[in-house]
Amino acid sequence: AQTVTQSQPEMSVQEAETVTLSCTYDTSESDYYLFWYKQPPSRQMILVIRQEAYKQQNATENRFSVNFQKAAKSFSLKISDSQLGDAAMYFCAYRRWGYQKVTFGIGTKLQVIP
Amino acid sequence: DGGITQSPKYLFRKEGQNVTLSCEQNLNHDAMYWYRQDPGQGLRLIYYSQIVNDFQKGDIAEGYSVSREKKESFPLTVTSAQKNPTAFYLCASSMFSGGTTDTQYFGPGTRLTVL
Repeated sequence: AQTVTQSQPEMSVQEAETVTLSCTYDTSESDYYLFWYKQPPSRQMILVIRQEAYKQQNATENRFSVNFQKAAKSFSLKISDSQLGDAAMYFCAYRRWGYQKVTFGIGTKLQVIP
Repeated sequence: DGGITQSPKYLFRKEGQNVTLSCEQNLNHDAMYWYRQDPGQGLRLIYYSQIVNDFQKGDIAEGYSVSREKKESFPLTVTSAQKNPTAFYLCASSMFSGGTTDTQYFGPGTRLTVL
């Protein structure tokens, strides 16, 4: 069974600084997708970034980028120029290609310090 | 605006009662999902549906039921058989084509409390 591990329950970052959230996953599949979702205090899950496993290039969305290491099964999220609005729970997630189920990690709570 | 709506935002239930949570989407998505979120845990899949009149159990389907009579709607009923129903419930939807689904997008959620 696939598992997703987020080993950092809480992280903090100074406003305008950079922070990296860690995620590792376990799978025997070669085709899959990885996601980072953000859940602010409103509790709505918002897609931050998505990575297809067959792509070697790391995904980037404005201030958000990932470091995807397929062999190491690692998928970290880097947030540059952190803003107060980035404060939220961040969930790493995995989905096997062709399957419906998305497996989520338990989340990392990010605090942004003014 | 296209999106996913869930109602109500807060729901209170007495023990022994069934309650139904609403989820509607106007994104023309084929697939819809229900997740449960508890403190300190990630999301867990309750049920999902790829097409109208068809749905499958997820990891924690016991005590829940769903229907998919319309593409836009996927209501979840929490029955009295669900032992610990107090939780935050999230609905999601995605496109389905070529034998696989696209990224899931989420509604704002419903907080269910059993009194």
